[in-house]
Amino acid sequence: AQTVTQSQPEMSVQEAETVTLSCTYDTSESNYYLFWYKQPPSRQMILVIRQEAYKQQNATENRFSVNFQKAAKSFSLKISDSQLGDTAMYFCAFMTAGNQFYFGTGTSLTVIP
Amino acid sequence: DAGVIQSPRHEVTEMGQEVTLRCKPISGHNSLFWYRQTMMRGLELLIYFNNNVPIDDSGMPEDRFSAKMPNASFSTLKIQPSEPRDSAVYFCASSFMGQGPYGYTFGSGTRLTVV
Repeated sequence: AQTVTQSQPEMSVQEAETVTLSCTYDTSESNYYLFWYKQPPSRQMILVIRQEAYKQQNATENRFSVNFQKAAKSFSLKISDSQLGDTAMYFCAFMTAGNQFYFGTGTSLTVIP
Repeated sequence: DAGVIQSPRHEVTEMGQEVTLRCKPISGHNSLFWYRQTMMRGLELLIYFNNNVPIDDSGMPEDRFSAKMPNASFSTLKIQPSEPRDSAVYFCASSFMGQGPYGYTFGSGTRLTVV
């Protein structure tokens, strides 16, 4: 069974500071993808960053980067220089080779001015 | 491209009524997914289609739920009869099978409230 665990239901960070959101997953598959999605109050699911499991190099997208530890099955998201617009729910997700997503329960991030 | 289009954006209905949610996938995509999001259970995959054929409906909660994809550009999720516990946000997503996660796109969701 595929599971995704986000152990931090809520987090807050001061504007311009750095915050790290945690995610662990469990799977027996060798080929898979990991994602972080952002869901603002508009409820749109917005892709933040994606990591292919076969790549050792951690993915980065501007202020967003991941720390992918495959052996530990850990996939944390680091947001640098936090902005007010980063306030949202963040979901860690795992995709199998069959294109099926499995989502964590989410972390509510608040950026404090 | 307008992305994945879902309608209605909001739906309020009375218990026992039939509800139909609609989804138009991105043109050229051949996989379509229906998800339900609740506070208690998070995001759950209900059913997905490849080339208009239902592949896995094991996430459909019960027989009151049904989904169809009569053609490549349209899908429906129907609840009959609806119950208050069906209240949730329902997302549709589409992708091109074989491209993995690339191009996987969610719609804006339908917020369903059953009173």
